[in-house]
Amino acid sequence: AQSVTQLDSHVSVSEGTPVLLRCNYSSSYSPSLFWYVQHPNKGLQLLLKYTSAATLVKGINGFEAEFKKSETSFHLTKPSAHMSDAAEYFCVVSDRDTGFQKLVFGTGTRLLVSP
Amino acid sequence: NAGVTQTPKFQVLKTGQSMTLQCAQDMNHEYMSWYRQDPGMGLRLIHYSVGAGITDQGEVPNGYNVSRSTTEDFPLRLLSAAPSQTSVYFCASSPTNIGGETQYFGPGTRLLVL
Repeated sequence: AQSVTQLDSHVSVSEGTPVLLRCNYSSSYSPSLFWYVQHPNKGLQLLLKYTSAATLVKGINGFEAEFKKSETSFHLTKPSAHMSDAAEYFCVVSDRDTGFQKLVFGTGTRLLVSP
Repeated sequence: NAGVTQTPKFQVLKTGQSMTLQCAQDMNHEYMSWYRQDPGMGLRLIHYSVGAGITDQGEVPNGYNVSRSTTEDFPLRLLSAAPSQTSVYFCASSPTNIGGETQYFGPGTRLLVL
């Protein structure tokens, strides 16, 4: 069965410093992996996704993530945080090989950015 | 394109009342789904549909009913509301149900059951 573990429920950074949001996954097959962002009182928006091409994936707003199969990780990073990055971030795994997409969400990491 | 729209934005119900949460998409997507979001639990799948006339249960289907008479619309019905159904509900759609597809989410409906 698939599962996703987001290792931090909250991450606090100062504006201009690097961001690291950690995600580990478990999947029996070759997974697709996503990061979604949710700003307060808004729906979820796709940041980036991995679907078996390049292991380093670049997304919107300067975010990127690296798929590491040996470590079963898909950590999200950004070199320099901006105040507008304050939001909740969800790591999501999708079972791809069975042909039907079933998404499993992590419990979320709330990113706090201070001036 | 409006994308995925949901109505209402907020709703307060009394225990035992029924209601329908509306979801519509104008992207001609085949796959639609409903999730609920509770604190500390991420999003959990309630029901999904792979096309008009085809629906199936997700992880937490009890107390909810769905139908898909058109490609565009996928309403979620609460048959007899309970306080445990207090949550934020999100509708999502994607072009197909193949793994790796990006899901497009609506803005959500906040439901409070007293």
